[in-house]
Amino acid sequence: NSKVIQTPRYLVKGQGQKAKMRCIPEKGHPVVFWYQQNKNNEFKFLINFQNQEVLQQIDMTEKRFSAECPSNSPCSLEIQSSEAGDSALYLCASSLGGSSYEQYFGPGTRLTVL
Amino acid sequence: GDSVTQTEGLVTLTEGLPVMLNCTYQTIYSNPFLFWYVQHLNESPRLLLKSFTDNKRTEHQGFHATLHKSSSSFHLQKSSAQLSDSALYYCALSGNRIFFGDGTQLVVKP
Repeated sequence: NSKVIQTPRYLVKGQGQKAKMRCIPEKGHPVVFWYQQNKNNEFKFLINFQNQEVLQQIDMTEKRFSAECPSNSPCSLEIQSSEAGDSALYLCASSLGGSSYEQYFGPGTRLTVL
Repeated sequence: GDSVTQTEGLVTLTEGLPVMLNCTYQTIYSNPFLFWYVQHLNESPRLLLKSFTDNKRTEHQGFHATLHKSSSSFHLQKSSAQLSDSALYYCALSGNRIFFGDGTQLVVKP
């Protein structure tokens, strides 16, 4: 069973508000991923880290989204100015790294932007 | 670029019938890893199967898949569907990062 912890489980924000969610990866996993799963179950990669460094991120993440994985603190994903289209389930996953390793997913943070 | 295609958005079948969910991929890597993840309702995805060996059958929890590099396919199969198999199934490819398909919703009816 996955031991990735995500908080909060539910988040409700108004349009234009900041929305911040956190993730604690499994112990010993240096690689962390953030995904957005929308109401159509489409899985969109947002960003990934190895330790504290960004490995890859998509354009959307570079604009309104910011993320970090400081040492000895939870990783976080923050939307600077929430839009209705950001309403989704945000999943954090961690892995040992490398292409052969499976990802372990947290329970997700369900964001609703009113 | 790398991509994964799952042609069926929804598969509905009767309990006891065989399951086959299609997955094809595109990658520049000669030795990609392919994965199947399953996501039950109100749960997060978890790994079902993975493989990187060409033409070798991989099995877990009654499901099996064989990576065929010649056809760039990694179809998921099960001989007899159970009601509890109803879930969302994602095929994924590891290239320079993990690429997920759009998912196939499997609905098994009594």
